[in-house]
Amino acid sequence: QSVLTQPPSASGTPGQRVTISCSGSSSNIGSNTVMWYQQLPGTAPKLLIYSNDQRPSGVPDRFSASKSDTSASLAISGLQSEDEADYYCAAWDGSLSAHVFGTGTEVTVL
Amino acid sequence: EVQLLESGGGLVQPGGSLRISCAASGFTFRTYAMSWVRQAPGKGLEWVSAISGSGRTTYYADSVKGRFTVSRDNSENTLYLQVNSLRAEDTAIYYCAKYRGPHWDQYYFDSWGQGALVTVSS
Repeated sequence: QSVLTQPPSASGTPGQRVTISCSGSSSNIGSNTVMWYQQLPGTAPKLLIYSNDQRPSGVPDRFSASKSDTSASLAISGLQSEDEADYYCAAWDGSLSAHVFGTGTEVTVL
Repeated sequence: EVQLLESGGGLVQPGGSLRISCAASGFTFRTYAMSWVRQAPGKGLEWVSAISGSGRTTYYADSVKGRFTVSRDNSENTLYLQVNSLRAEDTAIYYCAKYRGPHWDQYYFDSWGQGALVTVSS
């Protein structure tokens, strides 16, 4: 089961800012770096953010992220219709010696 | 360009076995740790297993420990997942993913395959 907790859904109108939270513990987010993935329907996940707040080349700067203590968050500013997807956080868990994913958040553009 | 191509999925009966493969290209395979991540129909992502570049270090999720075995052939640039004692709850798309980063606690999955569907049913 998922060790990291995310809200099941989030929504906004085009142009709005949406924020997704990811809550963990001292053994994962609290001591290791966080990554975020976007999964469009029927496709493999795509890396959005790594090392807490770093964007790979090609990811729009509308996507940003931060981490504080045992929680992390992803923000999408200037929401666009193509941002409709599922979003997942993930981190290494030192107690489990395993990577753990968040429960996932479905973003809807109204 | 990094390419990861899974194969070997299919329909298997409960208690059965299967070997899923992931053919890698476009990077120096032996220098990167690799992972398997699965997704049950309509569900979220679940990390399954990981293996170091040399193959000497492996990790498993508790849900598959003792039943699944990850391995790699660096001469063939191929990652494997041997899945035994399959259960209905193992039904999922199995993705192979390439790791990047300085150490396990900072690793992230920077490339993914398209996935292989494993269906466990009688």
